[in-house]
Amino acid sequence: DAGITQSPRHKVTETGTPVTLRCHQTENHRYMYWYRQDPGHGLRLIHYSYGVKDTDKGEVSDGYSVSRSKTEDFLLTLESATSSQTSVYFCAISESIQGGYTFGSGTRLTVV
Amino acid sequence: QQQVKQSPQSLIVQKGGISIINCAYENTAFDYFPWYQQFPGKGPALLIAIRPDVSEKKEGRFTISFNKSAKQFSLHIMDSQPGDSATYFCAASRVDTGRRALTFGSGTRLQVQP
Repeated sequence: DAGITQSPRHKVTETGTPVTLRCHQTENHRYMYWYRQDPGHGLRLIHYSYGVKDTDKGEVSDGYSVSRSKTEDFLLTLESATSSQTSVYFCAISESIQGGYTFGSGTRLTVV
Repeated sequence: QQQVKQSPQSLIVQKGGISIINCAYENTAFDYFPWYQQFPGKGPALLIAIRPDVSEKKEGRFTISFNKSAKQFSLHIMDSQPGDSATYFCAASRVDTGRRALTFGSGTRLQVQP
């Protein structure tokens, strides 16, 4: 989708293990976002980035950390996965602060 | 704290009918209101967006109506088609300390019956 790739697409992991999800873009967009999607909650913002090494917390950031060492990559890490973090995770990119987002295809994460 | 409330949760419309999805927001500082469409297994895609300086925006069969005083906005899909069957999300954003990120509603699953 418009030069944005999420990996892996599916992952099953055990409670207590660390997990890293990757978002890679080829659009050279400055702004990148991580959301989680759960039934009845829509999409909730986890973390976002305004550039390399410039990140900020969203409304549901507890238990998650992010890193952006290159413009094209935005990594989301679950430090110690819990069952409540079972969800579909979406990365989004935006060219400008005023504009709409382009979303990736998502990563379905199951924590057992 | 749900800053953007969306209704209904699900909607069934006959082919050719009008689909209407409503959203209400609390923060008067919101200044950008997009709608996203999501098909199963895909990420959401931007459908149409509006800013509060206009009351209506139309793109093809899709129209956003915006009521600033009521803090409400809605999506109207005219001549609904089975291909419109998807989940729709409203969203809103504002500039906060020089930052902006979208806040989404909870979504509406639309089913258009042939």
